[in-house]
Order: sequence, then C-alpha cells, then structure tokens
Amino acid sequence: NAGVTQTPKFQVLKTGQSMTLQCAQDMNHNSMYWYRQDPGMGLRLIYYSASEGTTDKGEVPNGYNVSRLNKREFSLRLESAAPSQTSVYFCASSPRQDSSYNEQFFGPGTRLTVL
Amino acid sequence: GENVEQHPSTLSVQEGDSAVIKCTYSDSASNYFPWYKQELGKRPQLIIDIRSNVGEKKDQRIAVTLNKTAKHFSLHITETQPEDSAVYFCAARRGHSSASKIIFGSGTRLSIRP
Repeated sequence: NAGVTQTPKFQVLKTGQSMTLQCAQDMNHNSMYWYRQDPGMGLRLIYYSASEGTTDKGEVPNGYNVSRLNKREFSLRLESAAPSQTSVYFCASSPRQDSSYNEQFFGPGTRLTVL
Repeated sequence: GENVEQHPSTLSVQEGDSAVIKCTYSDSASNYFPWYKQELGKRPQLIIDIRSNVGEKKDQRIAVTLNKTAKHFSLHITETQPEDSAVYFCAARRGHSSASKIIFGSGTRLSIRP
C-alpha cells in the first residue's frame, strides 16, 4: 500500500495563478482532510470530507475550494494564489470521521511558494 | 469552537532525561486527544492517543495524562534518545459526529542534547 500520496511535492506560483493539489489514498478510508502548516502555527484544517460526496469547511477555508472526486481522491484548488498561501500543504485520511478510532494518516506534503 | 494551546514551543533536554509537553483545550465536550510526531521534513505520525474515559495511557517510554476538570493533557517522554528529536503536536476532538474536527496545537520542537 502506498498510503496517502500527494502531487506535486513542490510548486512555485505567481500571484493570481491557479493550481490544483492532488491527493489520493489506497486504504479505503472514508474521511479525507486538507491542512496547511505554517511555522509556529501548527496544522490548520482547510477543508475536510467526512465521506464520499460531502465536503465541509475547516478553520481556514478562504481562498480554497475542494473536490471529493471519489472515495480515493480529494483535491484542493487555489483559484487565485496569494503570497499568504505560501505554506506546506498536507492531505490526510482516516477510516471514519464519526468513529472513536480516528487516527489520521498524512501524505508527504506539498511545499507551495507564491511569489 | 475548540481552541488548543501547547507549551512550550521549544524544549531542549539532555539525552536520558525526561521531557514533558503540555496542552490545554477550551471545549469541555472534547473527548479524544491524539499526539503526533513530525520529524524534520517528514509527515506527522500518530504516536499515542487518549480518550476522555481514561486518565492515563502508557506505551513504552511515552505516556499521556488527561485532567478533564482542568481541561489539560500532557505528553511525557522518559529516557529520551536522539531519535526523539522532532516537533510534537497535541490535538483535541469534540464528539464522534461526521461534523467533528480535530484541532491541533501549535507544536513543540523537542531537541535532545547528547
């Protein structure tokens, strides 16, 4: 099993450009998440999908959109990138959002720089 | 909503000594408290978790304690080793519904001095 995979690993954008970060998991998990990690700020939840067909906002959703394409894939889109979105982005999955067992498995991360 | 505060932000201990990281949470309905370890340049990984129906959980050299009355929980690492050097994140989750979210603390960078 590859676990949680993310593409790309690195990306540099100019202000105003758009891009989509891809995430896939092969563990048959129901729930998937997108976090951003900034120095001294920990992991902040952007959006999550409790199950296929549903998405919900997290702590910092502004400037982002998501698509739960199927059970395996959960993408994050930046429509008009801003320097404040420079960060490391992590995708994660867990068996079920509504289970008492809720370990989250993280992908390797995408380092995004917006100039 | 839930707010999780973590202290200290950096911690340096001598190899072999113990390390303690503390977190407080705001939502008294939170009932699940995981700890994640992130080594430099790598992804976060769960190392231990505790549910609100127990006060302490231990796994070899690491342990977590929970004080529901005071709304704080702590990570204890004994006999620290160089491979314990990493950033540690606490987190809290309220409830089991599909709308419940895990909120992370800001992290503690632990350095082990040889």
